[in-house]
Amino acid sequence: SQQGEEDPQALSIQEGENATMNCSYKTSINNLQWYRQNSGRGLVHLILIRSNEREKHSGRLRVTLDTSKKSSSLLITASRAADTASYFCAALGGKLIFGQGTELSVKP
Amino acid sequence: DSGVTQTPKHLITATGQRVTLRCSPRSGDLSVYWYQQSLDQGLQFLIQYYNGEERAKGNILERFSAQQFPDLHSELNLSSLELGDSALYFCASSPDMVSGIPYEQYFGPGTRLTVT
Repeated sequence: SQQGEEDPQALSIQEGENATMNCSYKTSINNLQWYRQNSGRGLVHLILIRSNEREKHSGRLRVTLDTSKKSSSLLITASRAADTASYFCAALGGKLIFGQGTELSVKP
Repeated sequence: DSGVTQTPKHLITATGQRVTLRCSPRSGDLSVYWYQQSLDQGLQFLIQYYNGEERAKGNILERFSAQQFPDLHSELNLSSLELGDSALYFCASSPDMVSGIPYEQYFGPGTRLTVT
């Protein structure tokens, strides 16, 4: 089974709104990473948060990590139509295991 | 552009056939990873090579094999193909592992395999 599981499976919002995606994982991790995938394309690394970090920012992205709950969240602020993509969390506990992804649709 | 190249982009073949997918990692990256992405299974890790040696194995079928060559490019061989092998196959590379912890991975554009 997948190490990372994202919630929701799909999210549709208006441009300018914030989008929050959650990820849960099952075992101890070294780090957790978020990736983005445009339809049919390769994954693009967005941000990495280490197991001893609780929050990390990168531009309009904010990632939190709660190792006690084995969960992480990705917040995209002031979303744009170009943010429309699938977002995957990947938990590293020896090898990188990806979740099923959240499909984000941002409507102009 | 991630710097990882994969060939071919598309491949259409028949059941029972054998194909080879090729990947060139980013310059300087020693680790290469192979993934399979299908609608029903999601993104599945297949196998990792580090500097020519197999490092980790995931959900790779016995009909599939891979290798990494001295110039660090890698090939994924898929044999006795079945309809269910139709998927996107991604290669990724990452920089040297520090303390055994991989850095972020850089993905290639993928090879879309269709088995008819």
